[in-house]
Formats: sequence, C-alpha cells, structure tokens
Amino acid sequence: DAKTTQPTSMDCAEGRAANLPCNHSTISGNEYVYWYRQIHSQGPQYIIHGLKNNETNEMASLIITEDRKSSTLILPHATLRDTAVYYCIVRVGGAQKLVFGQGTRLTINP
Amino acid sequence: EAQVTQNPRYLITVTGKKLTVTCSQNMNHEYMSWYRQDPGLGLRQIYYSMNVEVTDKGDVPEGYKVSRKEKRNFPLILESPSPNQTSLYFCASSLSGFSDQPQHFGDGTRLSIL
Repeated sequence: DAKTTQPTSMDCAEGRAANLPCNHSTISGNEYVYWYRQIHSQGPQYIIHGLKNNETNEMASLIITEDRKSSTLILPHATLRDTAVYYCIVRVGGAQKLVFGQGTRLTINP
Repeated sequence: EAQVTQNPRYLITVTGKKLTVTCSQNMNHEYMSWYRQDPGLGLRQIYYSMNVEVTDKGDVPEGYKVSRKEKRNFPLILESPSPNQTSLYFCASSLSGFSDQPQHFGDGTRLSIL
C-alpha cells in the first residue's frame, strides 16, 4: 500500500472548518483514499473514501487533487466531539485489509 | 441499528486460560476481520474471513484461532493466552473484502493477560 504522510497534530476552533491534509505521492491508479477516526480507544469510525473524484457525505468532504498525490479531509463545522485521531489510509485495489499509520491528532478547542 | 458487537468489552485473565472474544454483525456482511492495537504499533490485522468457512491469516496470527461457521459471527479464540497478547482488540466487517467497501469496527475488547 502507498505510504501516507499526515501532520502529527492539529488544532481547530469549534465551529470552524477543520482541514486535515494527507500526502500520498506514491499512490497508484487503483488505490482508494480512506479516512477513519478514532476517539480515545473506541473502534475506528469510517468517515469517507474516494478514488479520483471529490466526495461528500453527512460527516465530511474529501478533496483529492487532480494528480491524486494528496487529499484533504474537511469537517465543515467542527465540534468538541470531533476531537480524535484521524487516519488517512491508501488502500490498494483488491486489498482486503486496512493499514493504519500514526494519524493526525485533531483537537477542537472551545 | 447496524453494528458490530464485541463481547466482552473488558477481560482480565491469567496465562494459559482459554478465552473467546465474540464478534457479531447484523449487516449481512460477507467480510470480517480481527485487529489488535498496541501503543506505538498501530492496528495490526490478526485474521480475516472473506466469507463463511473461509478464513486466512493476517499479519500477526500467532497464538490466535478463528472460525466462521455463520455469516454473522467471527469469534477470536486464544487457546493459551500469554501476557504478550494483552492488547485492545477490534473486530471489523464490510460488505465484501474488496477495497471499495469500507470496514466498520466494533467498540473494542480490552484484554489483560496476567
């Protein structure tokens, strides 16, 4: 699986948009970009995934650059409950498992 | 509510005493998997199952067994637990094992082997 690079930590004010970057410069054409988050020691929570196009769901938006070498997860109106570790995962086509890196620790401040 | 349910949530036990952690999903998912999470090592896959009666080793299968007799259940068995299996365990499931299907995780089971 392609390696991803994320900032170790980020802060965001409550009510503002949280933009979490991820670099995946070695991504291949059939690899999906997935985002999960983990709050404390709870189970990882699926947020969103995409292949080439930008995606949006009720939780977040995923912006993938045209060359697919990086992406940004956007939480449009961050709340205190969004404080968590966010994982960007690149998953090769056909691969059954998820490979979690160290993620970004996002802290939402009041 | 669609969910992956693990039991127990917490367990403290002693070396050598067989234990089973159950995992059940109500989403009719074909794929199920077990991961363990340790500080500094992230989540690592133990075993997975692409469908009923089909299981395969992940990255760290030593000391664990699994079975998949029914689609909804995927128990993790520690026949002779040892202290190095003290960890936080997660079960996950998805519609299929392919990369375009997101995996959904249970709330975790924290095992302490003394």
